[in-house]
Amino acid sequence: QVQLQESGPGLVKPSQTLSLTCTVSDGSFSTYYWSWLRQPPGKGLEWIANIHYSGNTNYNPSLKSRVTISIDTSKNQYSLKLSSVTGADTAVYYCARGSGYFLYWGQGTLVTVSS
Amino acid sequence: EIVLTQSPGTLSLSPGERATLSCRASQSVSSSYLAWYQQKPGQAPRLLIYGASSRATGIPDRFSGSGSGTDFTLTISRLEPEDFAVYYCQLYGSSPGTFGQGTKVEI
Repeated sequence: QVQLQESGPGLVKPSQTLSLTCTVSDGSFSTYYWSWLRQPPGKGLEWIANIHYSGNTNYNPSLKSRVTISIDTSKNQYSLKLSSVTGADTAVYYCARGSGYFLYWGQGTLVTVSS
Repeated sequence: EIVLTQSPGTLSLSPGERATLSCRASQSVSSSYLAWYQQKPGQAPRLLIYGASSRATGIPDRFSGSGSGTDFTLTISRLEPEDFAVYYCQLYGSSPGTFGQGTKVEI
């Protein structure tokens, strides 16, 4: 059974950097791309970025200048950093398996940007 | 960037009725790269359909997807109480993958 779990601070101050980690229990960690998505309260879904075990990355152009995605293959983890956050970055952040459609998702973690 | 527009915004139906949800792309897309998700409050989205018409593992056959070009449809043949939720379409296969704004199916 594939499981993903997001972790990280639930509150980030404006202008600071949001940092989240996704821990994956999946024997096929090296096979797939691993993604981050987000959903502002009451709104729709937005794909942020993905990364492969090999280190290959893809970013949403609208966020690319502020986003860094990285992977720690020894821990079956991958991470998201989003810099210079504002209130518009307040959202539930999800990690998910895949680079196309997403079959497996984490439960999501709410990150609020507020002073 | 291709924009996906879902309609209607809200669909008010009763259990046992048929639900027809629309997803329209701003330009023609490959049907191989259209997915549908169901999302209930406080939960992550659940993949229902990929490749426009292929059901994901464990998805009941009352859910079906169809369409091509710019117009895609998710049909729920007979609504069960657990089907009342928000549904999103998603285009993938090109960067960035985009989602529609969602259709809420309510009682």
